[in-house]
Amino acid sequence: GAVVSQHPSWVICKSGTSVKIECRSLDFQATTMFWYRQFPKQSLMLMATSNEGSKATYEQGVEKDKFLINHASLTLSTLTVTSAHPEDSSFYICSARDNLAGVTDTQYFGPGTRLTVL
Amino acid sequence: GQNIDQPTEMTATEGAIVQINCTYQTSGFNGLFWYQQHAGEAPTFLSYNVLDGLEEKGRFSSFLSRSKGYSYLLLKELQMKDSASYLCASMDSNYQLIWGAGTKLIIKP
Repeated sequence: GAVVSQHPSWVICKSGTSVKIECRSLDFQATTMFWYRQFPKQSLMLMATSNEGSKATYEQGVEKDKFLINHASLTLSTLTVTSAHPEDSSFYICSARDNLAGVTDTQYFGPGTRLTVL
Repeated sequence: GQNIDQPTEMTATEGAIVQINCTYQTSGFNGLFWYQQHAGEAPTFLSYNVLDGLEEKGRFSSFLSRSKGYSYLLLKELQMKDSASYLCASMDSNYQLIWGAGTKLIIKP
């Protein structure tokens, strides 16, 4: 089946630093990837839709200058949390949609990255 | 507005059957997804329904009624490892997934 990886799995950083999270589709190409944030005991919240070769589409309330998304290739999207603060501590999950599947097909999720900002 | 409702928590006994319901209201409809999420992990895909009826896949089955805006996930022969949150998500007319808050399923021996 389709596999999506994320790196790192977890990261602890100091307030004010920037953190980059990578999302890779390992055995398929993904023009579209999605970035979610999930707080404890809450539902997944879509942050942005990442499109290869173009700018990401951000959901309302998500600061595009704070959460920088780069989808440089068909298998890699990165999310950079700039000047992270403790309130950015969360579980960040990416998902990818297989190019060869229809637009309504399943999103395959990465394992998630747990970010803790001290 | 768009809304997904599912129970917050359910408890069932090992070996039994449990049905997790989900009602949805979205702008357009392009299918209903069920995901399983263990604590601290990302969701894993369970099922996708776009036509009315029951889809069976091993111990798990999913049902959809588009006219009622209703779906359920049926888990049979429950095992302890089935203890997890089950997320219902509806795909709207923009092909975006609208997520429910999840149902925490507790399996007791």
